[in-house]
Amino acid sequence: KAGVTQTPRYLIKTRGQQVTLSCSPISGHRSVSWYQQTPGQGLQFLFEYFSETQRNKGNFPGRFSGRQFSNSRSEMNVSTLELGDSALYLCASSNRTGADTQYFGPGTRLTVL
Amino acid sequence: QKEVEQDPGPLSVPEGAIVSLNCTYSNSAFQYFMWYRQYSRKGPELLMYTYSSGNKEDGRFTAQVDKSSKYISLFIRDSQPSDSATYLCAMNKAAGNKLTFGGGTRVLVKP
Repeated sequence: KAGVTQTPRYLIKTRGQQVTLSCSPISGHRSVSWYQQTPGQGLQFLFEYFSETQRNKGNFPGRFSGRQFSNSRSEMNVSTLELGDSALYLCASSNRTGADTQYFGPGTRLTVL
Repeated sequence: QKEVEQDPGPLSVPEGAIVSLNCTYSNSAFQYFMWYRQYSRKGPELLMYTYSSGNKEDGRFTAQVDKSSKYISLFIRDSQPSDSATYLCAMNKAAGNKLTFGGGTRVLVKP
């Protein structure tokens, strides 16, 4: 079974631009969560989508948004990029039943110049 | 104060030694506990998953949860250089998928 895939793997943007990241979950998984990982703050939860609905949201500004499609694929958008948005953005999928374990993709490394 | 505390290391051990990692947490609502391994420039890989207090063993890995002390541990027996990575503890409450992570412990296993 294929794992979680994320595209693109690397991105370089400048301040003020916007960016869209994509995540395809493990086949059969309907929940997709997004996390931001930085050296200073570690791994922080952004939001979770399940069956095309946002179910949980972390403490990030409204510049960070997401959506999920009917095939469970998810996109995350960051508008008006700031230098501090430079991070590894990780997507995790789960079937959100029972054990509720999450499996991570390789991440998208975003650099904001 | 962070909800989940984890010593950042680095923790350096000789090959074959037991690696001992731990996390403490403050929120008693956490019910599910996980350990992830993350190699440089890779996504976290799920190693162990536990629910409720007690021990769980899987190969060279043993996870322990002590809810009364709000303390979880991971032990790696017969450590190998390939175990060199950052180990992250994570936990969540009974409902929802929001994982709260520790800061990670960097482990170096020297040949």
